Amino acid sequence: DQQVKQNSPSLSVQEGRISILNCDYTNSMFDYFLWYKKYPAEGPTFLISISSIKDKNEDGRFTVFLNKSAKHLSLHIVPSQPGDSAVYFCAASAIRAGGTSYGKLTFGQGTILTVHP
Amino acid sequence: DTGVSQNPRHKITKRGQNVTFRCDPISEHNRLYWYRQTLGQGPEFLTYFQNEAQLEKSRLLSDRFSAERPKGSFSTLEIQRTEQGDSAMYLCASSWQQGAYEQYFGPGTRLTVT
Repeated sequence: DQQVKQNSPSLSVQEGRISILNCDYTNSMFDYFLWYKKYPAEGPTFLISISSIKDKNEDGRFTVFLNKSAKHLSLHIVPSQPGDSAVYFCAASAIRAGGTSYGKLTFGQGTILTVHP
Repeated sequence: DTGVSQNPRHKITKRGQNVTFRCDPISEHNRLYWYRQTLGQGPEFLTYFQNEAQLEKSRLLSDRFSAERPKGSFSTLEIQRTEQGDSAMYLCASSWQQGAYEQYFGPGTRLTVT
């Protein structure tokens, strides 16, 4: 049962344009979402996150949008740079009342982003 | 470097042998997680510790797998009687229990079972 899905295995974008990576989830208990970037031979690196009480979070060139009713989130990268080429993972977590996380992250399958110069 | 470290980075072993991996988390973090990643998939949760207590184990963690965090600092993951299906990247992450929910990952240990 794939509770977090990234339906696009790959995305190719021209440098300077916008990259949009999508993620869908099925578990209504998820209320905190994260994006990670992974280069070959390295562990995932945290990029940006969003709580379910928000619908948008922005950090520099990266913006995450959350649509709770559709159980969908997206990561926008503007402008895209060749150094952004990596695998991007969407992940979800559940938070207990009082602010303690349940612990584990559930990841999607990843999307390979290639930004061409 | 104060990030998460993992040793060894690569391990090649023959089927049936036992292997042990080590993870050193970020020193201020009290939670430590183990994940496994196979080709073309995202990381899959295996188990996590809060201080020295193991709070959750995935059903993916068969009886051949055991993890410890004896003093609430570093952790070890042991796989007994390895099988070819155990070949994967084993990732360790750490975080705070409360507040910031981001987990910070180490570089992983690549296990190849021949």
